[in-house]
Amino acid sequence: EAGVVQSPRYKIIEKKQPVAFWCNPISGHNTLYWYLQNLGQGPELLIRYENEEAVDDSQLPKDRFSAERLKGVDSTLKIQPAELGDSAVYLCASSSGENTGELFFGEGSRLTVL
Amino acid sequence: AQSVAQPEDQVNVAEGNPLTVKCTYSVSGNPYLFWYVQYPNRGLQFLLKYITGDNLVKGSYGFEAEFNKSQTSFHLKKPSALVSDSALYFCAVRGSRRYQLIWGAGTKLIIKP
Repeated sequence: EAGVVQSPRYKIIEKKQPVAFWCNPISGHNTLYWYLQNLGQGPELLIRYENEEAVDDSQLPKDRFSAERLKGVDSTLKIQPAELGDSAVYLCASSSGENTGELFFGEGSRLTVL
Repeated sequence: AQSVAQPEDQVNVAEGNPLTVKCTYSVSGNPYLFWYVQYPNRGLQFLLKYITGDNLVKGSYGFEAEFNKSQTSFHLKKPSALVSDSALYFCAVRGSRRYQLIWGAGTKLIIKP
């Protein structure tokens, strides 16, 4: 069974440029998460989807961040415009919705903003 | 306030020796507790969880964790460390909101040959 797939793995951009990250969750997983992880720290939740509905986006900086999960499967996270402080690893995770807390993570997209 | 503490930034253990990575938590109600591991430049991988039942839970790669309600702890353990266990370990607890996971800051485990 394929795991959570993210792309790109690495992205380097200049500040004020836009960037987008893509995530394909494990087949059948209705719940999808986007996390931000700074070096040496734990993940911080940005947004959680149940199917195509964003049910928790309270930590998403909506002035520059947006996300979508149009058909309840793949998801895209966008930053526009990017700032220096956005440099981090963006992790996508999915779960089966059984509420056990066991998340399956992708390998992450490392963003460097110059 | 709900929180997870991993008091050690780094733990150094010689290969073959037992290892312990510490985690304490503060959460209302019965805790759902988790350990995840992160290898360099990789995503997080689920190791084990405690929801209910036996206080000693076993997980992947020979790891186990002991839930101690009175000490509000959930320490990760392994009887004999391998160099390949070197990684970043995160403890997490489910918060009051159903899908909320509260994460510790992580502990870097270094196993020396």
